[in-house]
Amino acid sequence: AQSVSQHNHHVILSEAASLELGCNYSYGGTVNLFWYVQYPGQHLQLLLKYFSGDPLVKGIKGFEAEFIKSKFSFNLRKPSVQWSDTAEYFCAVIPSGSARQLTFGSGTQLTVLP
Amino acid sequence: GAVVSQHPSRVICKSGTSVKIECRSLDFQATTMFWYRQFPKQSLMLMATSNEGSKATYEQGVEKDKFLINHASLTLSTLTVTSAHPEDSSFYICSAREDTGNEQFFGPGTRLTVL
Repeated sequence: AQSVSQHNHHVILSEAASLELGCNYSYGGTVNLFWYVQYPGQHLQLLLKYFSGDPLVKGIKGFEAEFIKSKFSFNLRKPSVQWSDTAEYFCAVIPSGSARQLTFGSGTQLTVLP
Repeated sequence: GAVVSQHPSRVICKSGTSVKIECRSLDFQATTMFWYRQFPKQSLMLMATSNEGSKATYEQGVEKDKFLINHASLTLSTLTVTSAHPEDSSFYICSAREDTGNEQFFGPGTRLTVL
């Protein structure tokens, strides 16, 4: 079975700092990868996803992620964070073409200080 | 974009009672829906996969007699927490997967508090 690791449990940054959240997965085959965000008191929202093609994926709100197959990684990045980016971020994976459910990482709480 | 609703958003009940939570896909069909449980400061833990027209598939450790799932139509799945106890207090989130794709859309969640 696949698994997802997010090594940063809590990240604190000042506004305008650059962000990189790590995500590694374990699965031998082809996968679809996702980053979700959960703002305080709100439901999960999709930030971006990778199915195939260009490994550098751009999502909403200036976020991007790079799929590095050799490292089984899908790190999330943003050049300059804002206070409004304070939220919980979840990486998730599902085997390509699978009817199975998403497997989530443990999440990373991002706090951006004004 | 696709929208998933959950009702109620918040419920408080006495120990021993049953609570039903509805999950609806508002503008798409979803043969498959998922029920998750989220504890404070933790990730989503999959409880079961709800399949329209067939029995739900439960994850290991989830009591199927306690968490009853009914996928009544292509747009509605319900989770009933039977004989609720304080340890069942949690945030329950559903998601629905579009029949035409591989993407899941999440509901806003239901906060259950059992007194």
